[in-house]
Amino acid sequence: DTEVTQTPKHLVMGMTNKKSLKCEQHMGHRAMYWYKQKAKKPPELMFVYSYEKLSINESVPSRFSPECPNSSLLNLHLHALQPEDSALYLCASSQERVFNEQFFGPGTRLTVL
Amino acid sequence: TQLLEQSPQFLSIQEGENLTVYCNSSSVFSSLQWYRQEPGEGPVLLVTVVTGGEVKKLKRLTFQFGDARKDSSLHITAAQPGDTGLYLCAGDALVGSARQLTFGSGTQLTVLP
Repeated sequence: DTEVTQTPKHLVMGMTNKKSLKCEQHMGHRAMYWYKQKAKKPPELMFVYSYEKLSINESVPSRFSPECPNSSLLNLHLHALQPEDSALYLCASSQERVFNEQFFGPGTRLTVL
Repeated sequence: TQLLEQSPQFLSIQEGENLTVYCNSSSVFSSLQWYRQEPGEGPVLLVTVVTGGEVKKLKRLTFQFGDARKDSSLHITAAQPGDTGLYLCAGDALVGSARQLTFGSGTQLTVLP
């Protein structure tokens, strides 16, 4: 299984809602990532988990809260988002051994009203 | 901060034409990767280059890593409409205790039939 899955595919939420994005991989990868991507722009790194521990937090606002329940799962909890947070949220995983080749999920298209 | 400059930002060509995309940095990376992303999907890894001066071919795509491992190029021969997409270069480096990819700004390629 060389797939990274993400749910939901699309999400529309109000600024007062609480929602969660989910990511799953079964490739035995020990590093997992959350990226935010605006249209026609490159992905921007948000968080890195290495061996289930948060190792990089790229100064992301506290309204985004990551969680890594186990080595296969990665969640991103959302609360009190702003319209400018609307974007494609990508999850990726890698073996992180030699070349850090990352496998990306299809993303969650988030719209904040 | 490591930066990757990618050019051109946008490219629209006719089917059958050749093109080259450039990725330049002042930093040295342990490896450099190229991804292609189609609308509504996550980036898909095309190739990883590791050794200075390395050239890799993937059908009509030729990838080159600069001798100093700071720059790379992607050449497409006889482009086809199926090559349309966002092309991203990404340099791999160790940041603190975690490996991290630095993405270039991206090249949006449109191949017209």
